This record gives sequence, C-alpha cells and structure tokens, in this order.
Amino acid sequence: DADVTQTPRNRITKTGKRIMLECSQTKGHDRMYWYRQDPGLGLRLIYYSFDVKDINKGEISDGYSVSRQAQAKFSLSLESAIPNQTALYFCATSDKARLEDTQYFGPGTRLTVL
Amino acid sequence: GQSLEQPSEVTAVEGAIVQINCTYQTSGFYGLSWYQQHDGGAPTFLSYNGLDGLEETGRFSSFLSRSDSYGYLLLQELQMKDSASYFCASDSGNTPLVFGKGTRLSVIA
Repeated sequence: DADVTQTPRNRITKTGKRIMLECSQTKGHDRMYWYRQDPGLGLRLIYYSFDVKDINKGEISDGYSVSRQAQAKFSLSLESAIPNQTALYFCATSDKARLEDTQYFGPGTRLTVL
Repeated sequence: GQSLEQPSEVTAVEGAIVQINCTYQTSGFYGLSWYQQHDGGAPTFLSYNGLDGLEETGRFSSFLSRSDSYGYLLLQELQMKDSASYFCASDSGNTPLVFGKGTRLSVIA
C-alpha cells in the first residue's frame, strides 16, 4: 500500500465550484505539505503544516485553504475554483526528526477547472 | 528570499555522463537535495548534501560547495529510463524545502 495517498486522482470541475482534495499518510510524519505544479514552474508551495495545530501559508496560498484533521490527514480546498487553478497538485510529508527533511510525495491530483 | 537556478533542459546520449548544475541563494542554508520526477509521476528523493563534497549512490552522485553556493547532480552510464525531470531543493532548517524549477533530461540513443 502507498504511504501517501491522494483523492481524487483526477477531477474536472466548473468555475465557481468548491473542491476538496484529500491527502492521507501512513508514514507517521508530523510535517505535511501541499504543492501545485505547472509546466516550467516547478513545485510551488501552497500551504504546509508542521503538526496538527500548525498551519502556514506558502508561496501561493491565495484562493486556497487547508485543514489538518489529524496527524495523518491534510486537506486542500478551493472555495471557488477558477480556470488558472488548473494544475497538478501534490501532497507531501516529511519527518522533522531527520536532518535532511526528505519529502515523500503522493501520486498527485490532476485538477481541471473549466 | 530564496531562489535556485538550474538549466531548463539537458540532452545526453545513452551510456554517457551528464551533470545538472544548481546554484542557490538561500538564507540559513542547511543542505541541498535532489529529486527525480518521471512524466506523470510524483517527485522522488535521490540524494542530500549537508556537507561540502561528493555523495555517491550507485550511478548517481551529488556535489555541494557551500562557498560557491553551488551543487550538481552527476548521472553516469545514462540509461533511457533516466529521462525525467530533476529538481534541486534547498533546506533551511525549520522552513519547508524550496525547489528549483527543474531540469528536463532527455536521454537519446
């Protein structure tokens, strides 16, 4: 079984709709992250959480919100989706006990906003 | 702020050696990581340099020079399956990794 899972894997929606992307992990890591990836722009951080009570904005948080329901679950919401939020979204986890802070990524969610 | 620069594309021949460079401007720098991402897949961790010098893992090696704010990933005996995007990422301790925009490596026969 995968250590980091994301649901859904693909989603097509319309402008103005509310969308939730979910991430679950079985690695027991405290740190969780949401990234979006667009061609040529690499991985851009949306939000991150270093433990259940900690939520921080990343580089591109406008238009997004998150919820850390438990150590293992971190959800990303788009309250009112717009076409330029069409992208590939990745959840990742890391273990703060490790010096190198290696990140483990989920398989990604491909979101299309029409 | 923090930023990393790496070439957008590199092409190399199967069996050859290729070096992907990464320069960084990062405050409170701890170390440099490298990740590989195949088309349609998720990024996966390759290597980490916390100290200056070379780290070797099989056909892949990674190098760091803190004084030059520079690192590279070296891939030897290139195989077609090495065609992927490669990202360097800087670690500044208690803040998330900052990723470069990635280098797309194409291995040709």
